[in-house]
Amino acid sequence: DGGITQSPKYLFRKEGQNVTLSCEQNLNHDAMYWYRQDPGQGLRLIYYSQIVNDFQKGDIAEGYSVSREKKESFPLTVTSAQKNPTAFYLCASSTRQGADTGELFFGEGSRLTVL
Amino acid sequence: DAKTTQPTSMDCAEGRAANLPCNHSTISGNEYVYWYRQIHSQGPQYIIHGLKNNETNEMASLIITEDRKSSTLILPHATLRDTAVYYCIVRVIRGSARQLTFGSGTQLTVLP
Repeated sequence: DGGITQSPKYLFRKEGQNVTLSCEQNLNHDAMYWYRQDPGQGLRLIYYSQIVNDFQKGDIAEGYSVSREKKESFPLTVTSAQKNPTAFYLCASSTRQGADTGELFFGEGSRLTVL
Repeated sequence: DAKTTQPTSMDCAEGRAANLPCNHSTISGNEYVYWYRQIHSQGPQYIIHGLKNNETNEMASLIITEDRKSSTLILPHATLRDTAVYYCIVRVIRGSARQLTFGSGTQLTVLP
């Protein structure tokens, strides 16, 4: 079945370590996104990509990095520079039309805890 | 993007209609109203969107007031699986591939 797969679902990290969250989609979507969600709060955009080999910063990009070498993959690296990385991370994708209409498809999320 | 205001929480009896309100009094003429929902610890799910006419799909109906300053999402026959946080968002439909900034939403609890 088509969809978005995020891994790992749960991840623990020590302070000072970088960690990479995986996001893969087989929907043939052009656009992909990373959001962060903190307890009891809404989503905030970290990075997004409209096309392979191109991406833009969202509202809270500091301390994060991404790459888009393949259409189906958009990994997010949480670096040691991110001061408060413990959160629920959501990856999403959309068609080009969906990028305008807001019809995004989300993965199940990755919960990162920094010890 | 215009700001939205939603109640923090609502309850609804199973099988009854759930009516979720949203105020967006500063909405601009080119901004659409979107609704998403998020079941606990899962990714959000797109529900519906509209500009000024009422919209209906297999999941819900969206009623937008004539002045567009408020809207209501209607789940016609709520089930226990509809328990989730519902987000009302206002944004322009054109532009970049970004900008679905979610607020705090309404926690809908469907009671048996």
